[in-house]
Amino acid sequence: NAGVTQTPKFRVLKTGQSMTLLCAQDMNHEYMYWYRQDPGMGLRLIHYSVGEGTTAKGEVPDGYNVSRLKKQNFLLGLESAAPSQTSVYFCASSLTSGETAGELFFGEGSRLTVL
Amino acid sequence: AQSVSQHNHHVILSEAASLELGCNYSYGGTVNLFWYVQYPGQHLQLLLKYFSGDPLVKGIKGFEAEFIKSKFSFNLRKPSVQWSDTAEYFCAVNDYKLSFGAGTTVTVRA
Repeated sequence: NAGVTQTPKFRVLKTGQSMTLLCAQDMNHEYMYWYRQDPGMGLRLIHYSVGEGTTAKGEVPDGYNVSRLKKQNFLLGLESAAPSQTSVYFCASSLTSGETAGELFFGEGSRLTVL
Repeated sequence: AQSVSQHNHHVILSEAASLELGCNYSYGGTVNLFWYVQYPGQHLQLLLKYFSGDPLVKGIKGFEAEFIKSKFSFNLRKPSVQWSDTAEYFCAVNDYKLSFGAGTTVTVRA
């Protein structure tokens, strides 16, 4: 049981390049999230999804797009990367009911550097 | 929107010292409360959570937290820390989505 898997783990981009981060979960969770983690700022929610085919904006959505075509996958895209998007990105998933409702399960993170 | 405040940015302790990390949140309604821990180079892991019932919650590795509704607080405690508790600790509050505090870095000196 892999839990939440993110790919790639590391990436270096040049300003203006595009890329996609992939998140996959095998726990049949309804909710999925993308956060970015920056020093002194904790985790900030970029986008989230409450189910297959749905997405919603979080606190810091500008410059990012997401898609959830399949329940188990949540993609985060950067169309034109900027140095301000240098960060560590975490994907997470959760259930909406049951013993672990509301508890987030995190991936190992993806470190992105934009030069 | 929910806001979560963690009182300390960086705490440095010696082994066997007691630890208390403060957390306050802004929302007055029904919330679920969490503490997550991130060990160096690792992803976030759940330390403990409060949904309802006994306001004193016990988690893994000897940690506990107390929910005080009147103070909108959910402080984390550990009576005697170990070097392996060196990590970053995040308080989080869930009303319709999970909001995180800025985190507290805890350094335990051997």
